[in-house]
Amino acid sequence: KAGVTQTPRYLIKTRGQQVTLSCSPISGHRSVSWYQQTPGQGLQFLFEYFSETQRNKGNFPGRFSGRQFSNSRSEMNVSTLELGDSALYLCASSLEGAAVETQYFGPGTRLLVL
Amino acid sequence: SQQGEEDPQALSIQEGENATMNCSYKTSINNLQWYRQNSGRGLVHLILIRSNEREKHSGRLRVTLDTSKKSSSLLITASRAADTASYFCATADMGRRALTFGSGTRLQVQP
Repeated sequence: KAGVTQTPRYLIKTRGQQVTLSCSPISGHRSVSWYQQTPGQGLQFLFEYFSETQRNKGNFPGRFSGRQFSNSRSEMNVSTLELGDSALYLCASSLEGAAVETQYFGPGTRLLVL
Repeated sequence: SQQGEEDPQALSIQEGENATMNCSYKTSINNLQWYRQNSGRGLVHLILIRSNEREKHSGRLRVTLDTSKKSSSLLITASRAADTASYFCATADMGRRALTFGSGTRLQVQP
């Protein structure tokens, strides 16, 4: 099976813009989670989608949003970008979710906000 | 917020030596998972240990879990230069469908 894919791999934006990142999970996986990784805060959970429904959300402002499509592909959107949003954004997929099983991570999208 | 701390933050050893990393966490968990990350790339799953397990092995990896102390350790035996990476523990908290990551240990294996 193909692994988790994320597009784009690199992105440069300016403050105030918005960005959409995409994640395609492993075939058959219904759970997709998103994480932000920064040198200062480490790896932090953004949200999790399961069968097109957001099941869990981390402690991030409303500028961060996401959705999941019927084929389990997921997108996350960040509006009104701030310098502090520069980070590596990772998505992970699994059959049922992190509480019970291994998460499979994609290579990440590195976002730089200027 | 991060679940807890990993110790040490950085570790440098010679090829062939063993590397031990420790992880502490704060809440009750369903399972604890260890991941490896090379140079800011994606995370690679290494091993998952459930809350009712005390020890698990996978190849050169040995993981222990002490739920009474809320701690875990990862031992890599006979290390190789290719093991150079950052290692993270992550807990799956009861009732929360998300991983909470530790701060990570940067392992450098000198050839």
